[in-house]
Amino acid sequence: AQRVTQPEKLLSVFKGAPVELKCNYSYSGSPELFWYVQYSRQRLQLLLRHISRESIKGFTADLNKGETSFHLKKPFAQEEDSAMYYCALKGRGSTLGRLYFGRGTQLTVWP
Amino acid sequence: DTGVSQNPRHKITKRGQNVTFRCDPISEHNRLYWYRQTLGQGPEFLTYFQNEAQLEKSRLLSDRFSAERPKGSFSTLEIQRTEQGDSAMYLCASTKDTSYEQYFGPGTRLTVT
Repeated sequence: AQRVTQPEKLLSVFKGAPVELKCNYSYSGSPELFWYVQYSRQRLQLLLRHISRESIKGFTADLNKGETSFHLKKPFAQEEDSAMYYCALKGRGSTLGRLYFGRGTQLTVWP
Repeated sequence: DTGVSQNPRHKITKRGQNVTFRCDPISEHNRLYWYRQTLGQGPEFLTYFQNEAQLEKSRLLSDRFSAERPKGSFSTLEIQRTEQGDSAMYLCASTKDTSYEQYFGPGTRLTVT
């Protein structure tokens, strides 16, 4: 079964502190994983995807197939990073069109 | 605004009534997706279209739900005989064939009383 788990519903850090949002997945084969973000009163938008191996707004995420994880990290959190973050897995085979989302982690960065 | 648009943004209805939502994707996007999001959960896939063809439906989409995309442009999602459990945010997203990024609309929040 294809599944995404985000164990932390809420995460709070102070500005300047490192942050790591956890994501674990269940998938056979090579997964395609994404992080989506939703800022207050805005729509859901793509933050980054593992295929592109890029850093967006200082965030990076590395796929660890051994641990089936795709954690999102930022070395120095900023107040504007406060948002809801969703990890998502692209379906395969008969479910190719869909994304499987985790329940999300609400990140709050305190000044 | 050239992003995905959804109407209405909010809908309050009484149990047993029918409701219809509309989604207008980004103009050159031929794939369109519907998701449902309940409180405290991430979006859950409902169905998706490639052009006018409905290619996949989730088991979440009961017989009371129907979606159409008649001309391969906008899409409608209808819920018949609404139940309180249908209360949720209904999200629409679109993408090009070769793009991995799904662009989301603002959602329609449905409240069934």
